[in-house]
Amino acid sequence: QQPVQSPQAVILREGEDAVINCSSSKALYSVHWYRQKHGEAPVFLMILLKGGEQKGHDKISASFNEKKQQSSLYLTASQLSYSGTYFCGTSINDYKLSFGAGTTVTVRA
Amino acid sequence: EAGVAQSPRYKIIEKRQSVAFWCNPISGHATLYWYQQILGQGPKLLIQFQNNGVVDDSQLPKDRFSAERLKGVDSTLKIQPAKLEDSAVYLCASSFIANTGELFFGEGSRLTVL
Repeated sequence: QQPVQSPQAVILREGEDAVINCSSSKALYSVHWYRQKHGEAPVFLMILLKGGEQKGHDKISASFNEKKQQSSLYLTASQLSYSGTYFCGTSINDYKLSFGAGTTVTVRA
Repeated sequence: EAGVAQSPRYKIIEKRQSVAFWCNPISGHATLYWYQQILGQGPKLLIQFQNNGVVDDSQLPKDRFSAERLKGVDSTLKIQPAKLEDSAVYLCASSFIANTGELFFGEGSRLTVL
């Protein structure tokens, strides 16, 4: 079951914040976040397991709301290097990771 | 540490021809994934191996796609015959722990079907 991401695209100026949401119609076992730059392979950001934890990676953090079956990725004080397409990947059990359609983030100077 | 290796990087073929992609995962990674990424979309899982056994291939078009992972190490994905809609980047990924571990992606094999 493919997760739903929103928004599809966001444009930011350096230093601004953004939130990307990822939701599922089924109970989630884990949520992954990856960033892909144009023409490159997706690169791992973080994994969240059920339990409602929150994680951080530099100024990028994420939360996992088990009850709402959704995760949110927070881009804080965005930098030019944050530009790319962000994908959430979800699994409803201990296998088969399915990715959303992606959210394209453009950070401008 | 060497990353996930894929070849070829680019392939252009006519429809109805066949093509094969090769992937060598990171040493020690038991789980291997093949994803299809069509331009502008997220990666779609085609097949997942745990060692040399298939964990999931529910989205693999089995009338034309096949994949194997002999000896639980490297893997080959084949398309025969190719259709126009198979034009995509084929990403191979591996992980040490299935789905609760980080996926390491290769650079992908870009297929264009004319």
